[in-house]
Amino acid sequence: QITLKESAPTLVKPTQTLTLTCSLSGFSVSTSGVGVGWIRQPPGKALEWLALIFWNDDKRFSPSLENRLAITRDTSKNQVVLTMTNMDPVDTATYYCAHRLAEDAYYFGYWGQGTLVTVSS
Amino acid sequence: QSALTQPASVSGSPGQSITISCTGTNSDVGSYNLVSWYQHLPGKAPKVMIYEVNKRPSGVSNRFSGSKSGNTASLTISGLQAEDEGDYFCCSYAGTPTFEVFGTGTKVTVL
Repeated sequence: QITLKESAPTLVKPTQTLTLTCSLSGFSVSTSGVGVGWIRQPPGKALEWLALIFWNDDKRFSPSLENRLAITRDTSKNQVVLTMTNMDPVDTATYYCAHRLAEDAYYFGYWGQGTLVTVSS
Repeated sequence: QSALTQPASVSGSPGQSITISCTGTNSDVGSYNLVSWYQHLPGKAPKVMIYEVNKRPSGVSNRFSGSKSGNTASLTISGLQAEDEGDYFCCSYAGTPTFEVFGTGTKVTVL
């Protein structure tokens, strides 16, 4: 059974760096073809695609946020970590991680429950 | 890259059919048959309902169907049920550098 679980601080201050961790179960971040992505949803707004990392460490980023994002895999812990620098109140959102079955599977088949991050001083 | 455009809300009575549109450009929806649709119910994780325009994942009801014409993709829900009430988002591959973009989201209300 594939599950993903996000963890992050619930409150961060403006200008701080946010670290989001996605813990994976039921599959390995090293399995050929697999990808793990991050998506966020500000309160009452649309989903926003953020970043994606594949089993071979290939990475993709939203062009509008690329200069603030970094995504890594921890194969020993079977986790994917997204960091976002210079946080602002507009970054307040529920952040989701999601599983991608293969490099040519352009959809997220499994999602975590999401974690709400509030940016406020 | 702007978000794909969806109607803010669509409603229907139980048993009816509704269609949600997702309009992009010839850089995303119009160029690739890689549109997916997600159902997002309150308090739950999003769930993929359609991928590659019209393919249904195992376990998804055949009341959900997808199609595409030009730069607009559509999700049709047939035999609308109360349990279908929630938010629906489309997503399309958009090549480099954008990679993928979501739609603005549509709230489905069952009257």
